[in-house]
Amino acid sequence: QQKVQQSPESLIVPEGGMASLNCTSSDRNVDYFWWYRQHSGKSPKMLMSIFSNGEKEEGRFTVHLNKASLHTSLHIRDSQPSDSALYLCAARGGNYKYVFGAGTRLKVIA
Amino acid sequence: EAAVTQSPRNKVTVTGGNVTLSCRQTNSHNYMYWYRQDTGHGLRLIHYSYGAGNLQIGDVPDGYKATRTTQEDFFLLLELASPSQTSLYFCASSDPGTGGHSDYTFGSGTRLLVI
Repeated sequence: QQKVQQSPESLIVPEGGMASLNCTSSDRNVDYFWWYRQHSGKSPKMLMSIFSNGEKEEGRFTVHLNKASLHTSLHIRDSQPSDSALYLCAARGGNYKYVFGAGTRLKVIA
Repeated sequence: EAAVTQSPRNKVTVTGGNVTLSCRQTNSHNYMYWYRQDTGHGLRLIHYSYGAGNLQIGDVPDGYKATRTTQEDFFLLLELASPSQTSLYFCASSDPGTGGHSDYTFGSGTRLLVI
């Protein structure tokens, strides 16, 4: 069964700092990764997706993907208190089945 | 606006009781999913479907049945609820047919407590 491992489990960064989150899949058939953000009491909302090797940037958010190691990372620069949330990584394997990691809980302190 | 609507938002039932969670999507998506979310486990896939009448087994199916009656409606059934099924349940829809990498749209969740 495919597994998606996220690290760290939790992270505290100062306002204005950089947050770096990691995600690795155990399934060699994975071809697509997503990052979702879930604020407390809310449903997950898609932040970014990536399927090509390299880097993708959208505003303060940058995603990296290394397909050889099935590793993706999310970097948030100039972190804001509103970025405090649970960040979920999802990987798509066969049969369009998405598997989610357990998440990284980010807290940005002023 | 396209959406995924879940009902009820909250549900309390007794051990051994029957529970039905409902999900309706107006996205015209083919795929629909039921997940449960528990601290430390993220989102775990219970069942999913790629069309009316279709059902696929997820990763944690024990104790759950599901039925997709139309393209819009997907139901999750707990016929003998147990305290271990206390959780936050999310329904989602997607359509990988449109480009092969559609994002998920999640409902607002149903919080179930089995006492």
